[in-house]
Amino acid sequence: AQSVTQLDSQVPVFEEAPVELRCNYSSSVSVYLFWYVQYPNQGLQLLLKYLSGSTLVKGINGFEAEFNKSQTSFHLRKPSVHISDTAEYFCAVITQGGSEKLVFGKGTKLTVNP
Amino acid sequence: KAGVTQTPRYLIKTRGQQVTLSCSPISGHRSVSWYQQTPGQGLQFLFEYFSETQRNKGNFPGRFSGRQFSNSRSEMNVSTLELGDSALYLCASSASLASTDTQYFGPGTRLTVL
Repeated sequence: AQSVTQLDSQVPVFEEAPVELRCNYSSSVSVYLFWYVQYPNQGLQLLLKYLSGSTLVKGINGFEAEFNKSQTSFHLRKPSVHISDTAEYFCAVITQGGSEKLVFGKGTKLTVNP
Repeated sequence: KAGVTQTPRYLIKTRGQQVTLSCSPISGHRSVSWYQQTPGQGLQFLFEYFSETQRNKGNFPGRFSGRQFSNSRSEMNVSTLELGDSALYLCASSASLASTDTQYFGPGTRLTVL
């Protein structure tokens, strides 16, 4: 069975600084990878997803992520964050051809300070 | 297009009671999945429905059940509530069963069991 590890439960940064949220997955088969964001009192919104092709994936709100198969990682990055990026971020995986739906990491709470 | 809607948004129940939560998917979407979100366990997949049939199921006890109607609306039911069932219950819809389809999440129903 696959699993997802988000290495940092909380990441504080200052406005306009770069940020990287780390995600590693464990699976014996090929997977699809996703990053979702959850703002307070809201559901999850898809930021980006990796299905195949280029390992650098660009998403909404200036976020991007890089798939690294050898390191089984899918880290999320943004070169300059805004106060409005304060939220919880979830990395998720689905096994290709599998029957289970999204398997999520425990989340990383990003706090952007002025 | 209207997003995924969930009703009610908040619920307070006591141990031993049962509860029914409702989810209306995005128009045209035929797959509905349910997830439980708690601070301790994070986001966990409950089950998925497609064409009124349960297609996938997570590792939850039989007290958790669901159904889907011909208009793709879905309900989930939890019987004999326990304190540990307190959680945010998220519904997600997608166009098909394909793993590559984006899942769109509703705002959730926050259930508190006293």
